[in-house]
Amino acid sequence: AQSVTQPDIHITVSEGASLELRCNYSYGATPYLFWYVQSPGQGLQLLLKYFSGDTLVQGIKGFEAEFKRSQSSFNLRKPSVHWSDAAEYFCAVALIQGAQKLVFGQGTRLTINP
Amino acid sequence: NAGVTQTPKFQVLKTGQSMTLQCAQDMNHNSMYWYRQDPGMGLRLIYYSASEGTTDKGEVPNGYNVSRLNKREFSLRLESAAPSQTSVYFCASTPLGTDTGELFFGEGSRLTVL
Repeated sequence: AQSVTQPDIHITVSEGASLELRCNYSYGATPYLFWYVQSPGQGLQLLLKYFSGDTLVQGIKGFEAEFKRSQSSFNLRKPSVHWSDAAEYFCAVALIQGAQKLVFGQGTRLTINP
Repeated sequence: NAGVTQTPKFQVLKTGQSMTLQCAQDMNHNSMYWYRQDPGMGLRLIYYSASEGTTDKGEVPNGYNVSRLNKREFSLRLESAAPSQTSVYFCASTPLGTDTGELFFGEGSRLTVL
C-alpha cells in the first residue's frame, strides 16, 4: 500500500540555522509529491510540489525540496529559518485513481529557538 | 476570496448525538474531500467526491456519511457520535481535469465528543 513516512515527529532549530525535514514514500509508480505547512489553528497551505522534471523544486517562503528516486525520499530544506517558520509540516503523495487523493505523512512539528 | 469555508469551527457533542459539518467552496472545483487530523497520525481521508453526484469511501469512513449537495457543497454527517470521533476535520477541494494535485483546505472544524 502507498504510504508516506516522516521519521521526525518534532524538530527544534535555532533561528538562522538551516533546516532539513525528512520524507520517505512507498509508491509503485512515479509519485506526485507535496509538502504542506500548517500554522497553529489554520488549514494546510501548499509549500511546493514535484510531478516530473528537475528533481530540485523551489517553493514559497524560501523552501526547496529534492526528489531522490533511489532513496524514495523527498526532503524539505531551508537555508536559514525564521521564527515565523514554526509550524507543522506534512509530506504527501498523490494517488490518481479516478480522483486525486492525497496520502499524508504523520507530520513534523518545527520549533524555532530565538 | 473565501476559498473553502467550514462550519461550525468548534462543536462539543455527547456520545450518541448526531451532527453535520458543512463545507462550501467558491472556486468552481469539481472534487471535494473530508479529512480528519489526529495527533501523530497526519491527515486521513474519510470520504471524497470526485465530481457532483458521486461520493466514495476513503481510508476511515466508518461512522460517517456524506452528501454532495451541489458542486459547491459537501457535508459530513455523524449519525451517532463516539469519543473516537473527537478530532479536527478538514474539508478540501481541487479542480478536476488538472494534474496539479493541489488541495485547497478549509480552516478546520474541531469536534469533541464526550
